[in-house]
Amino acid sequence: DIVLTQSPATLSVSPGEGATLTCRASQTVDRQLAWYRQRPGQAPRLLIYDASVRATGVPARFSGSGSGTEFTLTIGSLQSEDSAIYYCHQYNNWPTFGQGTKVEIK
Amino acid sequence: QLRLQESGPGLVKPSETLSLTCSVSGGSISGTNYYWDWVRQPPGKGPQFIGSVFHNGDNFYNPSLKGRVVISVDTSKNQFSLNLTSVTAADTAVYYCARHLRTCVNVICHKFFDPWGPGTHVTVSS
Repeated sequence: DIVLTQSPATLSVSPGEGATLTCRASQTVDRQLAWYRQRPGQAPRLLIYDASVRATGVPARFSGSGSGTEFTLTIGSLQSEDSAIYYCHQYNNWPTFGQGTKVEIK
Repeated sequence: QLRLQESGPGLVKPSETLSLTCSVSGGSISGTNYYWDWVRQPPGKGPQFIGSVFHNGDNFYNPSLKGRVVISVDTSKNQFSLNLTSVTAADTAVYYCARHLRTCVNVICHKFFDPWGPGTHVTVSS
């Protein structure tokens, strides 16, 4: 299985600040990578697919980049509703997910 | 708007079979170019892919589940189902149904999951 390692494990930011989350794959996944946001008690919601394409209805302050084994999710001007766990997911091979980055709003 | 809803027992005894159903509304399972999926999330961990089914019954499963999984589809009810046999405490998780676009024919390939159902919590305990 392809292992996805997310960093940092936890990120604490003030409202209005930006955040950068990283996902590293144990082998290349080309650009077959998605990002999801999971609020407490809810299902994951798709934010980004194919490494950099925003899903329908996702605000422009969410952006994704990367290819191969290193990817980033950048969130500009964080808001209180962005407090959640963010997961990366590769689908270049049998699907696997990272362990998540918890984003806390101060 | 497409909606998925999981249903089934919240408690299953060890060694028994876990059975869940996903009901789809706002769209049809039949005649669409989507796979219908099951994904689970153990407590405090990231999601884990279980398997997928197409409307014609074609399916594929995560090899890590070692033959314990069967996913079937009932197009007349617009539902698909998960059966997981010989469960242990390690199968305790929130179980989600989801959908992904079919982009390959005659080979297995994968895509992102969207949308997801709200999930149902299943505990394996005697």
